Amino acid sequence: DAGVIQSPRHEVTEMGQEVTLRCKPISGHNSLFWYRQTMMRGLELLIYFNNNVPIDDSGMPEDRFSAKMPNASFSTLKIQPSEPRDSAVYFCASSRPGTAHTIYFGEGSWLTVV
Amino acid sequence: AQKVTQAQTEISVVEKEDVTLDCVYETRDTTYYLFWYKQPPSGELVFLIRRNSFDEQNEISGRYSWNFQKSTSSFNFTITASQVVDSAVYFCALTQADRGSTLGRLYFGRGTQLTVWP
Repeated sequence: DAGVIQSPRHEVTEMGQEVTLRCKPISGHNSLFWYRQTMMRGLELLIYFNNNVPIDDSGMPEDRFSAKMPNASFSTLKIQPSEPRDSAVYFCASSRPGTAHTIYFGEGSWLTVV
Repeated sequence: AQKVTQAQTEISVVEKEDVTLDCVYETRDTTYYLFWYKQPPSGELVFLIRRNSFDEQNEISGRYSWNFQKSTSSFNFTITASQVVDSAVYFCALTQADRGSTLGRLYFGRGTQLTVWP
């Protein structure tokens, strides 16, 4: 089975630009997570979806961040407008019932905002 | 509240040495899951092991072994006969186990950077 697929792998953008990160979860997984990793804060949960419905978005830093999951096989994380402090690695992850909450991660999207 | 502490920020060993990575957790839940993930230099997060709170049996997988002790709220990870390829950041994580398989969030420790020198 293919793992969690994220795109782009690397993105460099200018401050103020819109950034869209994409994720395809593992087929059959009904929970999807967006995590952010920085040196200062480590790995932190931004938002997670269950059956395409956002369950907990308390980790979304501010209104500039938004996430959608229009169907079971696709999710986006959008930052508009981007700022240098948004530079981080953004991970998408997924899991399914019956796997005892094992969450599988994508390879990450490395975002640099200059 | 859920909290995971990995007190060792960095560990360096020489190849073939055994090394233990410590993980201490806090939770008020009686049912929870503990995990270890590996993040090699390439950056991806690789799942290594899951342990539920009712299963205190230690587990061994090749050179890897895990020691879960509820009495001390610890879930330590030992690599026997370490190899250069084991060099990575290792994360311990905790999640609560909701009823009906509704998934909770993963709480990560800050990670331990392991460097294995040839």
